[in-house]
Amino acid sequence: DAKTTQPPSMDCAEGRAANLPCNHSTISGNEYVYWYRQIHSQGPQYIIHGLKNNETNEMASLIITEDRKSSTLILPHATLRDTAVYYCIVSHNGGATNKLIFGTGTLLAVQP
Amino acid sequence: KAGVTQTPRYLIKTRGQQVTLSCSPISGHRSVSWYQQTPGQGLQFLFEYFSETQRNKGNFPGRFSGRQFSNSRSEMNVSTLELGDSALYLCASSLEEVQYFGPGTRLTVT
Repeated sequence: DAKTTQPPSMDCAEGRAANLPCNHSTISGNEYVYWYRQIHSQGPQYIIHGLKNNETNEMASLIITEDRKSSTLILPHATLRDTAVYYCIVSHNGGATNKLIFGTGTLLAVQP
Repeated sequence: KAGVTQTPRYLIKTRGQQVTLSCSPISGHRSVSWYQQTPGQGLQFLFEYFSETQRNKGNFPGRFSGRQFSNSRSEMNVSTLELGDSALYLCASSLEEVQYFGPGTRLTVT
């Protein structure tokens, strides 16, 4: 079973920030938080990942709470092309294993 | 760098047949993982190969198998196809902490 909980759907107005929450209360110390998104019938696209510090790249920012039990993915200026299913995954990827357990994700609908 | 490529992109097979799907990882990536995506079960991990060895396996029947070649390219095979094997099959390659996915192969079993 997936170790994360996400709302099934969210709406966001075009041009506004999209804040997608994720709960991962059973995360262990060596597990990363990963975010992927999947636009209809395409392969999942990597967005960002982090261990305990906040991270930012050209696509998004990842805010992880101090206790690491939850995180938020922030898309600073959402566009229509950001409409997708967003998956939050916790995994100790890399090293001896490369295995991602996907949940049902959040369907983000960006409205014009 | 070129991304992960998968061939073929679309495939139609008949129940009882077998199928082989191919995945070429990003250059330099040695780990290749396979996933199955269906509307009912979502995205599920099939198996992972690293340096030509299966390192991890999901909960799928033995009809699903794979292999990896010395150049890190990987194939997966499904024998005795069932209608329920209709799915999007995704391959991902990784070097360190991040997996990068290919576009997938859409398999339809009739």
